[in-house]
Amino acid sequence: SQTIHQWPATLVQPVGSPLSLECTVEGTSNPNLYWYRQAAGRGLQLLFYSVGIGQISSEVPQNLSASRPQDRQFILSSKKLLLSDSGFYLCAWSVRGRFWQFFGPGTRLTVL
Amino acid sequence: AQKVTQAQTEISVVEKEDVTLDCVYETRDTTYYLFWYKQPPSGELVFLIRRNSFDEQNEISGRYSWNFQKSTSSFNFTITASQVVDSAVYFCALSGDTRMNRDDKIIFGKGTRLHILP
Repeated sequence: SQTIHQWPATLVQPVGSPLSLECTVEGTSNPNLYWYRQAAGRGLQLLFYSVGIGQISSEVPQNLSASRPQDRQFILSSKKLLLSDSGFYLCAWSVRGRFWQFFGPGTRLTVL
Repeated sequence: AQKVTQAQTEISVVEKEDVTLDCVYETRDTTYYLFWYKQPPSGELVFLIRRNSFDEQNEISGRYSWNFQKSTSSFNFTITASQVVDSAVYFCALSGDTRMNRDDKIIFGKGTRLHILP
């Protein structure tokens, strides 16, 4: 069966510090991968998606970036965090052509 | 453009009452999929159901039921005999025809926060 992992589960970082969140998927090959952000009490915002290794599409211009160094690994990064980067970050995967997405447990990021 | 509207931002009902969460969508695709996800306080989104645009049959799963009506572009979700464990944020979502959309992106509504009061 397929599983999706995210770490860390929680993170508190000062403004201006770097960020690296990791997401890995097990039990499937060549998945589509997605990063979402959910601000407190709000809906889901798609940040990045990837249909293959090295292929990243950005939905919203911002100081975040994403990379996919391996087929089942998706990384969200920032060189300098802003207060507005605080939120709940969710990684998701889907089987290409199967439409529905499965979500990881999320990372709660607080920028102070 | 595709859009999902969940007009109810927050609902509170007393345990054992029935509750319906509304979802209205917009799309120009003739082939599309609709979804409901549940987000409990832990934060992880839990997939509940998928419906394709050619299947208007209503579905029941235990205390959960879904009413898909293409004529009104609605995909409503009803919880019968609600329980405290049903308290969560519920998201309705839409995905278009992936022959045109290889990234399988999903458009989410803003969610409805459901409180089940003991």
